[in-house]
Amino acid sequence: AQSVTQLDSQVPVFEEAPVELRCNYSSSVSVYLFWYVQYPNQGLQLLLKYLSGSTLVKGINGFEAEFNKSQTSFHLRKPSVHISDTAEYFCAVSPPAAGSYQLTFGKGTKLSVIP
Amino acid sequence: GAGVSQSPRYKVAKRGQDVALRCDPISGHVSLFWYQQALGQGPEFLTYFQNEAQLDKSGLPSDRFFAERPEGSVSTLKIQRTQQEDSAVYLCASSLASGGEGEKLFFGSGTQLSVL
Repeated sequence: AQSVTQLDSQVPVFEEAPVELRCNYSSSVSVYLFWYVQYPNQGLQLLLKYLSGSTLVKGINGFEAEFNKSQTSFHLRKPSVHISDTAEYFCAVSPPAAGSYQLTFGKGTKLSVIP
Repeated sequence: GAGVSQSPRYKVAKRGQDVALRCDPISGHVSLFWYQQALGQGPEFLTYFQNEAQLDKSGLPSDRFFAERPEGSVSTLKIQRTQQEDSAVYLCASSLASGGEGEKLFFGSGTQLSVL
C-alpha cells in the first residue's frame, strides 16, 4: 500500500516569488509520481509525472518537480508564480505495472498567490 | 465532447434516498474511473472500468454503492439509502487506453453530493 503526505495545507506567496509545495510518499515498492492541479470549478489536470529516468521533471505552466528516492519526496517548484497559479495542488502516487491505474492522492495544498 | 462531463453538478438528498450520478467520458476513451473526495481530503479511488467491464471495485465503501457502464461509454454511480457520511464530491475520470503506466487521466468537475 502507498500513502502520500502533503505537509502544507495552505501556502500563501507573493506574485513573482518562488514557491515549493512539498510531497512525501510511503511505499514498499517503487512508484510512479504525479502532480495534479485543480483550478476553481474545474476538474483535476495533470501538471507533470515521474515514471523513470531523469529525476528532474518539467511540466506545464513552468512547474517542475524533483524525485528524491532517498528522501521519498517529490516536491513541486516554480521560480516565479503568477496570480493564475492560485489553485489546489495534489500529489499522487501509483504502483508500477499491475494496479498502476489506481492513484493514491495526498490531501492537497492550496496555493494562494497574493498580488 | 471536449471534456469529461458530470451531472448533476450539485445533488442534495435526504438520508435514506437513492441517488444516481452520471459521467460522460471523452468520446473514444476506453477507461473510466470514479473517485470520492471528502471535504478537506484528496480524491480516493472507488472503481475502474475498461469499456463495459468493471475490472476493479475494491474502493467502493459498501454494498450500497454500485457503478455501471453498460455500453462502454456513459457511466452511472448509484448510491442506495444514502447516509450523511456519503456527502462528498464524486469525481469521474477517463483515459484513452488502460489508464495505467502513468497514462494521463482527464477529470470531470465532479458532482457535489450533500446528504441531509
